[in-house]
Amino acid sequence: GDSVTQMEGPVTLSEEAFLTINCTYTATGYPSLFWYVQYPGEGLQLLLKATKADDKGSNKGFEATYRKETTSFHLEKGSVQVSDSAVYFCALSSLTGTASKLTFGTGTRLQVTL
Amino acid sequence: DTEVTQTPKHLVMGMTNKKSLKCEQHMGHRAMYWYKQKAKKPPELMFVYSYEKLSINESVPSRFSPECPNSSLLNLHLHALQPEDSALYLCASRAPGTSNTEAFFGQGTRLTVV
Repeated sequence: GDSVTQMEGPVTLSEEAFLTINCTYTATGYPSLFWYVQYPGEGLQLLLKATKADDKGSNKGFEATYRKETTSFHLEKGSVQVSDSAVYFCALSSLTGTASKLTFGTGTRLQVTL
Repeated sequence: DTEVTQTPKHLVMGMTNKKSLKCEQHMGHRAMYWYKQKAKKPPELMFVYSYEKLSINESVPSRFSPECPNSSLLNLHLHALQPEDSALYLCASRAPGTSNTEAFFGQGTRLTVV
């Protein structure tokens, strides 16, 4: 079945440091890939997505490239801020009949300090 | 309007109680989802409705009973729950029949079973 593997957290960085959160996936066919972010006490918000190989998703300084050859979708940001502290989930989306479902990685907690 | 609204935000119930969680969206999405999220874990899919019909049931115990009365509403009826069912319950909606579109999540209902 489909699965997503994310690097274990927590990740603790100083403000303005470079961020990488690794994500790899296993899926049949050609899934779409997503990064969602969850702030404390809230639901999930879409951060970015990519729907085919070599697509780059980007938003709010974050970016990730869909790499089919390495089945990866690593999240990067050049300079993190304290406000980026949250849990980040990598996810893939697949169709089962007419219903689509999201399969999530385990999540990576990011803590950014001054 | 890109909101998914869940009520109540918090719920405490006894093991013999019957309660319902409600979810509403007005984006015209015909796919709606229930997820369960335990602390420090990713969301786990429970149910998917597509065009108001149950499409996916991820082997959820019968003490959870979903209902989709119309294209904007999704309910989750709870009966005879166990303390281990305490979790954040998230509703999401999405355009059906696609795997490359964003799923919109509500803020969740934090359920405590005592």
